[in-house]
Formats: sequence, structure tokens, C-alpha cells
Amino acid sequence: DAKTTQPNSMESNEEEPVHLPCNHSTISGTDYIHWYRQLPSQGPEYVIHGLTSNVNNRMASLAIAEDRKSSTLILHRATLRDAAVYYCILRDNLETSYDKVIFGPGTSLSVIP
Amino acid sequence: KAGVTQTPRYLIKTRGQQVTLSCSPISGHRSVSWYQQTPGQGLQFLFEYFSETQRNKGNFPGRFSGRQFSNSRSEMNVSTLELGDSALYLCASSPRGGGEQFFGPGTRLTVL
Repeated sequence: DAKTTQPNSMESNEEEPVHLPCNHSTISGTDYIHWYRQLPSQGPEYVIHGLTSNVNNRMASLAIAEDRKSSTLILHRATLRDAAVYYCILRDNLETSYDKVIFGPGTSLSVIP
Repeated sequence: KAGVTQTPRYLIKTRGQQVTLSCSPISGHRSVSWYQQTPGQGLQFLFEYFSETQRNKGNFPGRFSGRQFSNSRSEMNVSTLELGDSALYLCASSPRGGGEQFFGPGTRLTVL
């Protein structure tokens, strides 16, 4: 099973951009990079995913390295509500896929007012 | 569209008992996955069901089992509870299995 590594924790000041890194050196060609976050006392929620090209949505941006061995989740302006544990995971998006989903320990993001 | 619902939200049991947790996926979703979350081990995959069939299973003992009904609702059962089974049990659904998963709020199980 392909695995990811992330820093245990990061801090950011409110209203500043945050770059959350993820390494996935054993990624396979069909693996999509997914990001989830888990706010305190809640289940994880989907943030963004991508395959090769950088992706943007209303929550965040995902920058994927050219060799796909690493990626960065970018929160453009951190708010206090963004304080959460962020998980980077690899998922096979094929319709016939039923892989085990492996969550690492994630990165605990603290946002300082 | 209603989200994933899990019942009960909180549960207290004693060692040796068994417990059944329920998950109702988002309407139209046929895949349901279960996870255990503890402070020490983080989020761990238990199993995934699709169209009433278990398609994948994590590394948990046979005391952990599950099933899925024809309406995609799923239950998981833990028999002979141990103190270490105290955890947040999360259910997630998706249309077919791969890709984005939608998580419920979880069931907090405490084993005394």
C-alpha cells in the first residue's frame, strides 16, 4: 500500500497562507492524491484531490510536483476555522477500485490569531 | 441531500459485552467504509462494503465484523469487547468506492 509522510504539526498566523507538504515517493501511476481534514470533534471532510496537474477549489489549492513524489496543500488565507488535522492520502480513483484507505497521522495545523 | 448518519453517537459498554453500530450512507451511495480512530493509532481502516459484499478488510481481529443491507445501510459489530476497543468509530460512504468519501460524525464507544 502506498504511504504518505507529513510533518506532525505546523503553525500559521491568521490570514496568512499555509503550505502543508506531503511526501509520497512510492506513488503509483493510477494513484490520486487526496487531502482530508478533521476538525475537532468531527469526522474527516474532503478538501481536494488531484492526479498530475495543480488543482484549485473554493477551499484550497493542490500543487503536485512534476515527478508526483510530493504535493503541497495550500490554504490561501488561514482562518481560525482552518485549525484541524490535515491528512494526505493516496486513492485509486478507478471505478473498480476497492483499495484499503491508509490514513497517516496527518499534520495538526494551529492557527494563531 | 442528507449527510452520513451514525447511531448511536455515544455508547458505554463493559468488557465482554458486544455492540452494534449503525451507519446510513448518503442516498445513492453504495459503498460504506468503517474506520476506528484512537489517540494512539490514529485512523485505521476496518472494512468496506459495496452492494452487500465485503470488498476489503483491514488488520483487525475477527471480533470486528460488519454487514450491509440492500438499502446500503451498514452495521458493524464488535463482540467480546476489550478496553482497547474504546474509540471513535467512523463510517464513510461514497458512490462506488474509489475517490472522495463522505464521513459521518462517528460513534464514541467507551468500554469500561
